[in-house]
Amino acid sequence: GENVEQHPSTLSVQEGDSAVIKCTYSDSASNYFPWYKQELGKRPQLIIDIRSNVGEKKDQRIAVTLNKTAKHFSLHITETQPEDSAVYFCAARAAGNKLTFGGGTRVLVKP
Amino acid sequence: DAGITQSPRHKVTETGTPVTLRCHQTENHRYMYWYRQDPGHGLRLIHYSYGVKDTDKGEVSDGYSVSRSKTEDFLLTLESATSSQTSVYFCAISPDRDGYGYTFGSGTRLTVV
Repeated sequence: GENVEQHPSTLSVQEGDSAVIKCTYSDSASNYFPWYKQELGKRPQLIIDIRSNVGEKKDQRIAVTLNKTAKHFSLHITETQPEDSAVYFCAARAAGNKLTFGGGTRVLVKP
Repeated sequence: DAGITQSPRHKVTETGTPVTLRCHQTENHRYMYWYRQDPGHGLRLIHYSYGVKDTDKGEVSDGYSVSRSKTEDFLLTLESATSSQTSVYFCAISPDRDGYGYTFGSGTRLTVV
């Protein structure tokens, strides 16, 4: 089955700096890659996703890039703010299958 | 809210007792999933359902069973709870099989003592 590795497990950045989280996946058939944000004590919520026919997608301060050849994808957060502090999860879905999640990255934005 | 509720929100139970967690949705989505969340492991799939009476195992299904007798309800049962099942359990729903548009419930924090 699919295996998703996520790095780093924790990330501390200064407010205003950029944050980058990287994920690799194992199943070359995977074609959908969502990112979820989970604030303390809350449910995971979808913040951005990308499909395999697209190399990059941007939504305001967040962007996701996908390299299918290398089987990795990344989340970029620019101009970080304290409210960006949360745990972020990447996930991958192979055709006709379920989402497999990475282990999560705890992001702390220091004011 | 998000059209999906989990109950109870918190539960403490003793080792060896049966426990049932409930996921209820008002979105009429066909697909429902149970995940557990543990530090360092992310979200791991326990069981999922493609429709009424149509369920299948995920990657960590041992010790768990599920039932779905109605579209809106997906029950997760721990037949005989163990300390290793202490975790936060999340239910998710999706309008299609391929996982697009997962919506998660608020979670159930289960402690087995």
